[in-house]
Amino acid sequence: EVQLVESGGGLVQPGGSLRLSCAASGFTFSTYWMHWVRQAPGKGLVWVSRINSDGSSTSYADSVEGRFTISRDNAKNTLYLQMNSLRAEDTAVYYCARGKGAGAFDYWGQGTLVTVSS
Amino acid sequence: EIVMTQSPATLSVSPGERATLSCRASQSVSSNLAWYQQKHGQAPRLLIYGASTRATGIPARFSGSGSGTEFTLTISSLQSEDFAVYYCQQYNNWPMYTFGQGTKLEIK
Repeated sequence: EVQLVESGGGLVQPGGSLRLSCAASGFTFSTYWMHWVRQAPGKGLVWVSRINSDGSSTSYADSVEGRFTISRDNAKNTLYLQMNSLRAEDTAVYYCARGKGAGAFDYWGQGTLVTVSS
Repeated sequence: EIVMTQSPATLSVSPGERATLSCRASQSVSSNLAWYQQKHGQAPRLLIYGASTRATGIPARFSGSGSGTEFTLTISSLQSEDFAVYYCQQYNNWPMYTFGQGTKLEIK
């Protein structure tokens, strides 16, 4: 059974940093693209970042470019999102999701809440 | 950036009836379009990819159609568990992806 379990969310002050993790199991993690998607309270889904299967290629939404870094450890079956210079508008539930190649996202984690507030 | 626009924002339908949800892309996305269902407090679930292919385990009452810029998700006979928010997503422009703003399907 495919499972994705996020962790690392919490309350952080504006300008602070946080690192999210996504532990994967039930599939060959090293062969899949992975994504982070966020959802602000009461709002819709917003794609944040993506990484290819070996970690050699990444991409970001304009709103987080230069502040967030996606990475992965295929030996540990874990995806990461390092978030720096956090702003109030980064407050959201952050989901990790598995990509069907370069296409749709076929499995999602349950999400982890990040709150940026003083 | 490709903008995805969903309509209507809210759709009220009675159980057993048909629901039709629309999604429009600001430029052609070919058939690189997915639909997701999200129930309150839950993660999204993939329903349709490739505009018309049902994902694993998705009931046949869900169907997708369209290509280019106009897409439709149809739920043929609404069940109580189908009332949720539905999102379309384009992945034609990878590695950049965009979602629509969502359609809330509520019980009439």
